[in-house]
This record gives sequence, structure tokens and C-alpha cells, in this order.
Amino acid sequence: KAGVTQTPRYLIKTRGQQVTLSCSPISGHRSVSWYQQTPGQGLQFLFEYFSETQRNKGNFPGRFSGRQFSNSRSEMNVSTLELGDSALYLCASSLRSNNSPLHFGNGTRLTVT
Amino acid sequence: DQQVKQNSPSLSVQEGRISILNCDYTNSMFDYFLWYKKYPAEGPTFLISISSIKDKNEDGRFTVFLNKSAKHLSLHIVPSQPGDSAVYFCAAKASGNQFYFGTGTSLTVIP
Repeated sequence: KAGVTQTPRYLIKTRGQQVTLSCSPISGHRSVSWYQQTPGQGLQFLFEYFSETQRNKGNFPGRFSGRQFSNSRSEMNVSTLELGDSALYLCASSLRSNNSPLHFGNGTRLTVT
Repeated sequence: DQQVKQNSPSLSVQEGRISILNCDYTNSMFDYFLWYKKYPAEGPTFLISISSIKDKNEDGRFTVFLNKSAKHLSLHIVPSQPGDSAVYFCAAKASGNQFYFGTGTSLTVIP
């Protein structure tokens, strides 16, 4: 079974630009979550989508948004990029049942200059 | 507010010995706990989990212990191998599907 696929792996953007990251979950997984990892920080929760609806949202500004499509694929968008948005963005999928773990992709490394 | 804490940023262990990684949490509503392993340039890989109704779960060389009264979680790796060198994250979940992660412990297993 294919794992979680994230594209692109690396991105370099300029301050003020916007960016869209893509995630394809494991087949059969309808929940997709997004996390941000920065040096010295753990994984910070951005949001979760299930059945095309945002179910949970972390403490990030409105510049961070996402969506999920009917095939469970998800995209995350960051507008008006800031230097502090440079991070590894991780997507994870799960069955969303009791005691089912998250399964992560390899992430998108975003660098904002 | 960091609800899951890993107070040791790094740990070094000799090959063949036991590695013990620790994690503390503050939210008594957490009912599912997990450990992930992360190599550079890869996403975290699920390692082992435990629900709050248990106090121990084993999977091969990996054992997770849960002490609910102390709000403490630990991962034991026995015997440690050089391939275990990675960053380990603990995570916890209450209701819903939002997971809270610690900041990670970098384990180095010395051959």
C-alpha cells in the first residue's frame, strides 16, 4: 500500500508570496492532518480535514488555510509568506477511529527568503 | 502551552544497552499515547502506541510504559542498535483527532 505522498519536497519562496502544498493520503484514509515543524519545536498542529470538512484547527493565523477534495487528497495554502513560515510542513493521514495512529508523509521543506 | 514535554533533547547509549526515552504530559484527558521515530529528511514513522487503559505495551525490542498517576510515558529500546539513532517524538490524543507532540529526543546509539 502506498504511503502518504507530499509534493513538492522542497520550495523556496519570497516574503509576501503565497504557496500551495499538496498531500495524497494512504488509500482508505479519509482524515488528513497538517503539522508544522520548526527547529527546536515539536510538531505544531495546523488543521485536520475529514470528509472535505475542517474538523479541528490549531493556533495559526488565517494566512494558513486548507481544503480537502472528494478523493481525500488535501492542499494547504499559506498566503503573504513571512520569514517565520520557513519550516517543514508535514501531512498525515489516519482512519480516524479510536486508537488509530497518524501516518506521515516525508514533508515539504519551505524556505522563505 | 506545551501539553506534551520531552525534557531531554538528546541521549547517547552504547550498542546493546537499554535506551530509555521519557515524556511527560499535563492533560488528564489524553487517552491514547504514541511514539514516533524520525530520520533526517523523512517524515515521522509510527513506532508503538498505548491506550490509557493499559500500562505497558510491547512490540519486539520496543516497550512503552504509561504511568497515568504521574502523567508520564516512557519508551524502552532493548537492545539498542545503531540503526535506532534518530529523533523520537512522543504524542498524545484526547477526543477528536488532534494529536499533541513533544519536542523530540535525539537518540545516538554508539557502536
